[in-house]
Amino acid sequence: ETGVTQTPRHLVMGMTNKKSLKCEQHLGHNAMYWYKQSAKKPLELMFVYNFKEQTENNSVPSRFSPECPNSSHLFLHLHTLQPEDSALYLCASSQEGDLAEPNTEAFFGQGTRLTVV
Amino acid sequence: AQKVTQAQTEISVVEKEDVTLDCVYETRDTTYYLFWYKQPPSGELVFLIRRNSFDEQNEISGRYSWNFQKSTSSFNFTITASQVVDSAVYFCALSEVYTGANSKLTFGKGITLSVRP
Repeated sequence: ETGVTQTPRHLVMGMTNKKSLKCEQHLGHNAMYWYKQSAKKPLELMFVYNFKEQTENNSVPSRFSPECPNSSHLFLHLHTLQPEDSALYLCASSQEGDLAEPNTEAFFGQGTRLTVV
Repeated sequence: AQKVTQAQTEISVVEKEDVTLDCVYETRDTTYYLFWYKQPPSGELVFLIRRNSFDEQNEISGRYSWNFQKSTSSFNFTITASQVVDSAVYFCALSEVYTGANSKLTFGKGITLSVRP
């Protein structure tokens, strides 16, 4: 069982819908991340939260809105998405936001497969 | 700018063959970290190894070994005596290191490895 849980695993939504992706980690980590994995493209970092504060927004369109109410939970609110937003959205967490710290690596969830129709 | 290139996109081998996955990176930083992750069909990325830029010693872990060559900016991954369970997408990644501890991973496009019985 992964320490990072994402729900739902699959989501199909219309371009006018509003939906949310949820990520929960039970590892006691302080940093959480959203990544986007599109077909034939590298994983793209979207957002980083460190101790509940957003510390990175990688030029993500405003139709993606993250929320981190506490260190264990991370949401990605979606509205008026485009078909090109269809992808696997991966959540990750790490002990610290600094992956250079000893014994710090990112643990990933299984992802939400999003299809925008 | 950071960049990770995994020139091989798909590799297919027969069980028990050795296979090497190539990774070439670009960075202007003198301090950086390199990672390999495995993504099985279930979706989550599984951490395999982290190596810092000052440690060029090769590493072996069971059937896995890594060859880090700073002179050629490469961090190649070899699986010895491959098994069907090794079938997955393998990602090489590079981490930038920010002062104040908020590093992020730059991923390659991944290599799909299929191991046939």
